[in-house]
Amino acid sequence: EAGVAQSPRYKIIEKRQSVAFWCNPISGHATLYWYQQILGQGPKLLIQFQNNGVVDDSQLPKDRFSAERLKGVDSTLKIQPAKLEDSAVYLCASSPMDGPRSSYEQYFGPGTRLTVT
Amino acid sequence: AQSVAQPEDQVNVAEGNPLTVKCTYSVSGNPYLFWYVQYPNRGLQFLLKYITGDNLVKGSYGFEAEFNKSQTSFHLKKPSALVSDSALYFCAVRRSGSARQLTFGSGTQLTVLP
Repeated sequence: EAGVAQSPRYKIIEKRQSVAFWCNPISGHATLYWYQQILGQGPKLLIQFQNNGVVDDSQLPKDRFSAERLKGVDSTLKIQPAKLEDSAVYLCASSPMDGPRSSYEQYFGPGTRLTVT
Repeated sequence: AQSVAQPEDQVNVAEGNPLTVKCTYSVSGNPYLFWYVQYPNRGLQFLLKYITGDNLVKGSYGFEAEFNKSQTSFHLKKPSALVSDSALYFCAVRRSGSARQLTFGSGTQLTVLP
């Protein structure tokens, strides 16, 4: 089974520029997550989709971050304009829909390392 | 609000010795608890979980963890450490129920010395 795919793996931009990250979850996984992992910290949830609807975006800085999951499969996360403090690894994860037979495990992609200069 | 504390940023242990990585949590209701491991330039990999049932759960690569409700802890253990176990370990918690947010601790760097 193919894992969660993310691209690009690395990105360097200047502050005030825009950037987009792409994620392809494991086939059949209904739930998709975007996390921000700042160096020395644990991942922090930015947004959670179930199919193509948003379940939780309470920690997404909506003035500059946006995300979409068209057709309930692939997802993109965009930052516009970027700030220095956005430098982090952006992780995408997916899981089957929660339910009585769910394993509740999340499967993570390799991440995109963003450096804002 | 839910939270996870991993009180040790770094744990060093000699190869062949037992290891423990500590985790305490705070959540309302019944917790679902997880351990993930992260190798350099890699995403997180699932190790084990507690959802319900036996307090001692066994996972991948010989790791196990014990859920202690009274102490709100979920420490990760292994009887005999390997050099290849050296990595960054994260504890995480969520509330029971559907579509709940997962909250991670800050991570513990485990180094196993040959």
